[in-house]
Amino acid sequence: QKEVEQDPGPLSVPEGAIVSLNCTYSNSAFQYFMWYRQYSRKGPELLMYTYSSGNKEDGRFTAQVDKSSKYISLFIRDSQPSDSATYLCAVGGTSYGKLTFGQGTILTVHP
Amino acid sequence: GAGVSQSPSNKVTEKGKDVELRCDPISGHTALYWYRQSLGQGLEFLIYFQGNSAPDKSGLPSDRFSAERTGGSVSTLTIQRTQQEDSAVYLCASSRGGLETQYFGPGTRLLVL
Repeated sequence: QKEVEQDPGPLSVPEGAIVSLNCTYSNSAFQYFMWYRQYSRKGPELLMYTYSSGNKEDGRFTAQVDKSSKYISLFIRDSQPSDSATYLCAVGGTSYGKLTFGQGTILTVHP
Repeated sequence: GAGVSQSPSNKVTEKGKDVELRCDPISGHTALYWYRQSLGQGLEFLIYFQGNSAPDKSGLPSDRFSAERTGGSVSTLTIQRTQQEDSAVYLCASSRGGLETQYFGPGTRLLVL
């Protein structure tokens, strides 16, 4: 079993839709949680970073963490074609930033 | 400002050859990480540098893989006697250390024929 499980999709939605992306993790030692966005042939870029259970909002993006269920989510409101990318969840539990990534979900938002 | 840069962007090599991949981190970033992204896979941690030392090499897949960092800056990942299963995108990231945000380079796409 992988330490972080993420449905690879692909996921295709119309412009304006609400997108829900999810990951589960197996090790309760993970203490911080991130979502990265990766455009084709580019490196990942950080979208959201949280330490605690609950919700964190940034513009159209909301990250949700439920440590009791070991479940993390990313919601994208009013999705745009420019949101089309691969979304990677990542978890960490060390003091020096070693990250364990999910497989990534390929998202396409069509006009 | 300048981000993390990696070279070469693409590398095609023959099975059995050695390759060197280079990473130039953001100036002033003390922490440097190498990850590997295989087709359809998430990023896989390879090695972590703090300054010039590597406290965590646990992700290196075999003794054919090695990495060094000099002057607290540039890092080189070397793969000896490449195999077809080494084909992947090799990504480098740097940060100010600790739990600070990691900034990724564009990666080196390695194809072993």
